Amino acid sequence: EAQVTQNPRYLITVTGKKLTVTCSQNMNHEYMSWYRQDPGLGLRQIYYSMNVEVTDKGDVPEGYKVSRKEKRNFPLILESPSPNQTSLYFCASRNRGTSYEQYFGPGTRLTVT
Amino acid sequence: EDQVTQSPEALRLQEGESSSLNCSYTVSGLRGLFWYRQDPGKGPEFLFTLYSAGEEKEKERLKATLTKKESFLHITAPKPEDSATYLCAVQEGSGSRLTFGEGTQLTVNP
Repeated sequence: EAQVTQNPRYLITVTGKKLTVTCSQNMNHEYMSWYRQDPGLGLRQIYYSMNVEVTDKGDVPEGYKVSRKEKRNFPLILESPSPNQTSLYFCASRNRGTSYEQYFGPGTRLTVT
Repeated sequence: EDQVTQSPEALRLQEGESSSLNCSYTVSGLRGLFWYRQDPGKGPEFLFTLYSAGEEKEKERLKATLTKKESFLHITAPKPEDSATYLCAVQEGSGSRLTFGEGTQLTVNP
């Protein structure tokens, strides 16, 4: 089954404790993205990647890091999480082209206390 | 900066009562406008891509249209299973950055 998986699905952590949210897709997609979704602000793009070792900032990259060492994986790293990073995070992937038929993962709900 | 505004924020319909959702945008060079559906607790699901004014796309009870300033998602004879949040997004230029609207939460009562 074609899918995007994220782990963990739920995470409660404390300020400053480094964490990584993993994202993996099995569709051989070139493009992958990370979004956060907050009430009243909608979905905002954090980072995106157009291929292995090629990443770029989205609208809200501050406080986040990404890496793309393999085509299927695109982890999101929070080096020193803060309470304002409490949010619902989605990973997405799509193939090359302009249709933007993105496949989204199930989401990771992160709470930073 | 790209602006995407969706209206109404919430819409409640009776089963079979057709209506439209609006997405207005301000971008200097629209490369594409996209509609997604999001169910509670899930990631968005792709519906349509529109590229140029006058274009229309249909899928079951949904029809998306595009003008130079806005897009409409028409829902004909909706059913309760159409209840969801509908998201609009725009892409400007050749990059991969998308700007999403805040969505319209649609509820269809039986």
